Amino acid sequence: GAVVSQHPSWVICKSGTSVKIECRSLDFQATTMFWYRQFPKQSLMLMATSNEGSKATYEQGVEKDKFLINHASLTLSTLTVTSAHPEDSSFYICSARQGHGELFFGEGSRLTVL
Amino acid sequence: GQQLNQSPQSMFIQEGEDVSMNCTSSSIFNTWLWYKQDPGEGPVLLIALYKAGELTSNGRLTAQFGITRKDSFLNISASIPSDVGIYFCAGLMGGKLIFGQGTELSVKP
Repeated sequence: GAVVSQHPSWVICKSGTSVKIECRSLDFQATTMFWYRQFPKQSLMLMATSNEGSKATYEQGVEKDKFLINHASLTLSTLTVTSAHPEDSSFYICSARQGHGELFFGEGSRLTVL
Repeated sequence: GQQLNQSPQSMFIQEGEDVSMNCTSSSIFNTWLWYKQDPGEGPVLLIALYKAGELTSNGRLTAQFGITRKDSFLNISASIPSDVGIYFCAGLMGGKLIFGQGTELSVKP
């Protein structure tokens, strides 16, 4: 079946640095990708919706200047956490779909900011 | 924002027992989905429901889309240790998935 892959699986960084997380659709063209954040023992919260070739649409309360999303191709979306702080430590998960097809989730990327 | 109320929050059961969890919403959803998430991984789709009243099975799992389109339940029969994990309901609205708070399932062998 369709596969969505995230990289890196986990990353540890110093406070104030920026971290980039990649989300790739491996065997289909993802016209839409979604980015979620999940804190321990909590649900997945939608951060933004990314359509290929256009600007991402952010959910209320998500800082677009802090969480930069790029969807430059039909198989790749990136999430950059700029000037990361310890409170940004979380599990970031992407999902992707082609058209109105089934939604597939990546394996997640765990960010720890020291 | 939109919210799905999922219950119970956690369950501790004996292997072989049946399990039931449900989600309710104040809003109408056109699609309900049930996912399972293992620690450190992304959610995996278990069952998708597209029509009000629909009852769908996937092995030992059975899920129903409420007739009002505001609720859904998931049943797991004859639980086994590998059923351990967090189960999420999710409703599709405007192309976006809204997740419930999750039900953490523990199965004692």
